[in-house]
Amino acid sequence: GAGVSQSPSNKVTEKGKDVELRCDPISGHTALYWYRQRLGQGLEFLIYFQGNSAPDKSGLPSDRFSAERTGESVSTLTIQRTQQEDSAVYLCASSLRASGGQETQYFGPGTRLLVL
Amino acid sequence: SQQGEEDPQALSIQEGENATMNCSYKTSINNLQWYRQNSGRGLVHLILIRSNEREKHSGRLRVTLDTSKKSSSLLITASRAADTASYFCAPARGDSSYKLIFGSGTRLLVRP
Repeated sequence: GAGVSQSPSNKVTEKGKDVELRCDPISGHTALYWYRQRLGQGLEFLIYFQGNSAPDKSGLPSDRFSAERTGESVSTLTIQRTQQEDSAVYLCASSLRASGGQETQYFGPGTRLLVL
Repeated sequence: SQQGEEDPQALSIQEGENATMNCSYKTSINNLQWYRQNSGRGLVHLILIRSNEREKHSGRLRVTLDTSKKSSSLLITASRAADTASYFCAPARGDSSYKLIFGSGTRLLVRP
């Protein structure tokens, strides 16, 4: 069965350019999460979508970051005017629902972003 | 902070030995999850232990939870080279427990 997929797997961009990262969750999963992982570090929560509810954007580090999700399908994370500190692996995860942390989150392979 | 802190930062053992890694946290929790991350398979969920549980097993994995000490341990028995990975704990509170917040993890190296 298909897991969470992300594209591109790698992205090299120049400082100041915009990038768009894509996540395809597991079919039927209503909850979708974006995280960032800097080299040698743990996860930083960015944003969470649950069905038609308003997303939890509390983890977005600045207004240069935004994300959208169409229904219960694909999500895109957009970083505008990229900075070198944005270089990291961006991970997407999905779960059946988000019920008090009881649901296992299934992760995609990530997009490795390098801002030169 | 909901973040868990793993200890030790790095652990090197021989294949067949047991590996123990620990997690400490600061807030009360509903549950705690352990994840593994390696270059081959990405980030994978291992086990979830609820706050009213003290011990849980899954195959060669044994997780304990001591809520009075705000700590958890992950034991991998009879380790294999394929267990080489980074291991992270994610304590979860009830209010925003869908947010996984990892520390720097324990980097485990299992030597063949």
